[in-house]
Formats: sequence, C-alpha cells, structure tokens
Amino acid sequence: KQEVTQIPAALSVPEGENLVLNCSFTDSAIYNLQWFRQDPGKGLTSLLLIQSSQREQTSGRLNASLDKSSGRSTLYIAASQPGDSATYLCAVEKTGANNLFFGTGTRLTVIP
Amino acid sequence: NAGVTQTPKFRVLKTGQSMTLLCAQDMNHEYMYWYRQDPGMGLRLIHYSVGEGTTAKGEVPDGYNVSRLKKQNFLLGLESAAPSQTSVYFCASSSGGIANEKLFFGSGTQLSVL
Repeated sequence: KQEVTQIPAALSVPEGENLVLNCSFTDSAIYNLQWFRQDPGKGLTSLLLIQSSQREQTSGRLNASLDKSSGRSTLYIAASQPGDSATYLCAVEKTGANNLFFGTGTRLTVIP
Repeated sequence: NAGVTQTPKFRVLKTGQSMTLLCAQDMNHEYMYWYRQDPGMGLRLIHYSVGEGTTAKGEVPDGYNVSRLKKQNFLLGLESAAPSQTSVYFCASSSGGIANEKLFFGSGTQLSVL
C-alpha cells in the first residue's frame, strides 16, 4: 500500500522567509503528485499537479519538485506571507489505482 | 461560481440512524469522489464515479452506499450510522481521471455519530 509522509507536521516562519515543505512516498510507481492547500473548516484547493514524467511545476511563488526514484517531493514557497498560513497536503496517484493517497499535511503559520 | 457544493455542512446522528449527504457540481465534470478525513490520517477514498450511472469502491467503502443518477450529483448514504463514521466528509470532482486532472473539493460535511 502507498504510504505518504509529510514532515514536519507543523512549521512557523516569519513573514518574508522562503520555506520548503517535504513529502515522501513509499511506492515510486505513480502517475502524478498533487499539492493541496486546506484552510480551517474548508475544503482542499489544488495548488500544483506534477505528472510522473515531469520534474517540477511552478505557479507564482510556489514551486513543486518531484523525484520519483527517491520517492520525494518538495513544495517551495518564496517570500512567505501571512495569507499562506494553512495546512499543505501532498497526494500521489498510484499507477492504475484511480485513487489519491494523501499525507497528513504540514500546518504552516506565517508570522507577520 | 459555485463549483462543488455539499449539503449539509454539519450533522449529528444517533447510532443506527441513516442519512444521505449530497454533493452537487456545476462544472460538467465526469468524475466525482467521496473522501473522509480523520485526525492523524490522510484523506481516504470511500467511493467514486467515472460518469452518470456508475459507481466504484474506493479504499474504505464498508458501511456506505453511493448513487450517481444525474451527472451533476453524487450522493453518499449511511444506512446504519456507527460512531466509527464520525468524520469530515469531502466530495470532489474532476473533468477527467485523477491521473491527469486536478481535483476540485467541496467545503466538507462534519458528521458526528453518538
């Protein structure tokens, strides 16, 4: 079974800092990896989707990388803002499973 | 600009009661999904549908049933609620399979079973 781990579980940084969130998965046979943002009491918002053939995706201040062979992905957030405070989840779609396997998330707090 | 709408937002049930959660999407998406989110665990797939009239089991389907009579709606039913079904339930949709498409989520239903 695919296991997805996110470390750390929580992270606090001062406004303006660049930061990296980590995601690791046990089975490298994946179709894609997605990063989501979840605000308290709300649903998930998809941030970036990286296909298995890709190495990275960028959207604004966000950059996600994927290393299938090592089972790792990182989400880089540049120049963090208080509005970035949320829980960030990564999820992988195992080949042929038609199911996303989610990590438990990293709760990010950006301090003004 | 509704996207994915879930009703109700909150519900409290007694053990053994039944209920239906409704998910509606206005994006003409083919694929729809029901997930549950529990503390300390990642979201887990309950059931999904790849088009009107179809349903399939996910990772944790026991105790739940689903129906997709209309393309825009995906219903999740609990026939006899148990305390283990206390959770936050999320519906999601996508235009194609999740191998290539982003998921769009509703805001969730907080269900407590006493």
